[in-house]
Amino acid sequence: KNEVEQSPQNLTAQEGEFITINCSYSVGISALHWLQQHPGGGIVSLFMLSSGKKKHGRLIATINIQEKHSSLHITASHPRDSAVYICAAPRGAQKLVFGQGTRLTINP
Amino acid sequence: DVKVTQSSRYLVKRTGEKVFLECVQDMDHENMFWYRQDPGLGLRLIYFSYDVKMKEKGDIPEGYSVSREKKERFSLILESASTNQTSMYLCASSLYGSVEQYFGPGTRLTVT
Repeated sequence: KNEVEQSPQNLTAQEGEFITINCSYSVGISALHWLQQHPGGGIVSLFMLSSGKKKHGRLIATINIQEKHSSLHITASHPRDSAVYICAAPRGAQKLVFGQGTRLTINP
Repeated sequence: DVKVTQSSRYLVKRTGEKVFLECVQDMDHENMFWYRQDPGLGLRLIYFSYDVKMKEKGDIPEGYSVSREKKERFSLILESASTNQTSMYLCASSLYGSVEQYFGPGTRLTVT
C-alpha cells in the first residue's frame, strides 16, 4: 500500500461542475501539500496545510489530521483547470512522498 | 522568484549511451532532488543532495548516479541508458529543513 493514495486517478467533468479530489495517507504528518502540474510538466505548489481549510480563488483544500485525509475542491470548474493534481506528505524533515496524481479534464 | 531550470525539455538517446541531465537553481537552496515520473506511479525519488558533494539514495537509485560539485547545480547521470529509463525527469530544490520544494520544467527522456 502506498503511503499516499489519491482518488480518483482520472476525472472528466463539464465546465462549471464542482470537483473533489481526495488524498489519504498512512504516515503521521504535520502538513500536507497540494501541487498542480499542467501539460508540459512544470509543477507548482497550490497549498500547504496542517489543519482546517485553505482557500485560494476557486480552489479549496481541507485536511483532517486525525482521519489522515485531505480533499481538494474546485468550484465553478473551467477548462483551464485541466491539469494533474498531486498531493504530497512530508517524509522526515526534508523529503516528500507523493500520491499517484489525479488527471483532471474539464470540457467546455 | 525561485527558478529551477533543466538543460533540456526533450531528449532522445540510444540504448547504451551515457546521458547527463543538468539542473540549476538560483536561490541558494541547500537541498536538491531528482525524481522520475511515470503514469500511475507518481513522482519517485531517485537521489537527494543536501549539500555540495553530499548525496543520498532515494527509492529508485539503480541505474543512476548524481554529481553535485557546486551548490546551484545537480546532475543526474545514466551511465548506460536503457529503454526502461524512458520517463519524465524532474528536478527540485528546497531550503534546508523545509519540505516546500520548487520544481523545474522537467525533461522528457526517450531511450530507443
